[in-house]
Amino acid sequence: KAGVTQTPRYLIKTRGQQVTLSCSPISGHRSVSWYQQTPGQGLQFLFEYFSETQRNKGNFPGRFSGRQFSNSRSEMNVSTLELGDSALYLCASSADGAYGYTFGSGTRLTVV
Amino acid sequence: GESVGLHLPTLSVQEGDNSIINCAYSNSASDYFIWYKQESGKGPQFIIDIRSNMDKRQGQRVTVLLNKTVKHLSLQIAATQPGDSAVYFCAENEISDYKLSFGAGTTVTVRA
Repeated sequence: KAGVTQTPRYLIKTRGQQVTLSCSPISGHRSVSWYQQTPGQGLQFLFEYFSETQRNKGNFPGRFSGRQFSNSRSEMNVSTLELGDSALYLCASSADGAYGYTFGSGTRLTVV
Repeated sequence: GESVGLHLPTLSVQEGDNSIINCAYSNSASDYFIWYKQESGKGPQFIIDIRSNMDKRQGQRVTVLLNKTVKHLSLQIAATQPGDSAVYFCAENEISDYKLSFGAGTTVTVRA
């Protein structure tokens, strides 16, 4: 079956702009979570959605937001981009958010 | 705070030898543990998982051991191959939190 699909793979944005990243989970998975990966901070949890409801949120500023659609696809948005937002953004899907997390290949965001 | 950490940031292994990667965790409420492998430019790839009601689980060439008494997790890779060169992360989940907490990662390099 198809894996987790993240688009786009690469993005270059300017400080102050906003960006939207997309994630399509594995078919049948209803939980989608997002993680930020940087060399300095490692992998950090952003938020998790299940059936269009956010169930948990990490310690990130309000500039980071997300949503989930009725087909389980998810988007995350970062507004007013800062240089420090440059990172690999990873999406993971799970049937229930408890077990069996599968990651996508990520979106590499570079803020200049 | 609660966190998961790996003991060594790097590990160099001779091809054909067995590898052992260690991880300590501090959240005694963790229910579920996963090992991921991440190659350059890719998202984390699931290797093996274990639930807190088990202390050992085996896969193809890999074994995960869980010692809840000392909050320790390890990944054993048998007959290490060049394709095993990657960064390995342990992650833990308190399933009611719907999020994974990751360790810092161990970079495994396989010597020919």
